[in-house]
Amino acid sequence: KNEVEQSPQNLTAQEGEFITINCSYSVGISALHWLQQHPGGGIVSLFMLSSGKKKHGRLIATINIQEKHSSLHITASHPRDSAVYICAAVGGSQGNLIFGKGTKLSVKP
Amino acid sequence: DAGVIQSPRHEVTEMGQEVTLRCKPISGHNSLFWYRQTMMRGLELLIYFNNNVPIDDSGMPEDRFSAKMPNASFSTLKIQPSEPRDSAVYFCASSLVLSGEQFFGPGTRLTVL
Repeated sequence: KNEVEQSPQNLTAQEGEFITINCSYSVGISALHWLQQHPGGGIVSLFMLSSGKKKHGRLIATINIQEKHSSLHITASHPRDSAVYICAAVGGSQGNLIFGKGTKLSVKP
Repeated sequence: DAGVIQSPRHEVTEMGQEVTLRCKPISGHNSLFWYRQTMMRGLELLIYFNNNVPIDDSGMPEDRFSAKMPNASFSTLKIQPSEPRDSAVYFCASSLVLSGEQFFGPGTRLTVL
């Protein structure tokens, strides 16, 4: 069993829909990252959070430490949001990231 | 700032050849990470440095892989000898502190024939 599990693996949505991607982890962590990888391959850090909720534009990330669960929400989705979204847990106080397999999101116009 | 710089962006080589990948972290960042991404295994941490010192290299697949960070602005990942199963995209990332937000380079796509 992977230490970091994401769901769903693939997600297709219509433009404007509200999207949720889930991440569960079984290890003790100090923080959790949400990353975005575009079809061109570049990886961008969206959020790093260790508690509560963070918001940036149409993106919202939440984490529940007790339940070992995090969610990434996209409001009013747009085709340009199409990408692979990856959650990564930070093990302990060190920097080593444990990655989920990613969720491939496709937003249709 | 130019961000994390990696070179080359693409590398095609033949099995048995030595491959050297290069990374320049963001100026002022103290931590540097090397990752590998394949379709089968996704993203994997290979090794990371803090203040130029290797902290954890348990992700390095085998002795054919080695990494160095001679100074704060440069790191190399070397594969010698290379094998077809090493074909992957190799990413370098840097962060201000060890557990901080990481900034990724564009990656080096390696193909070993």
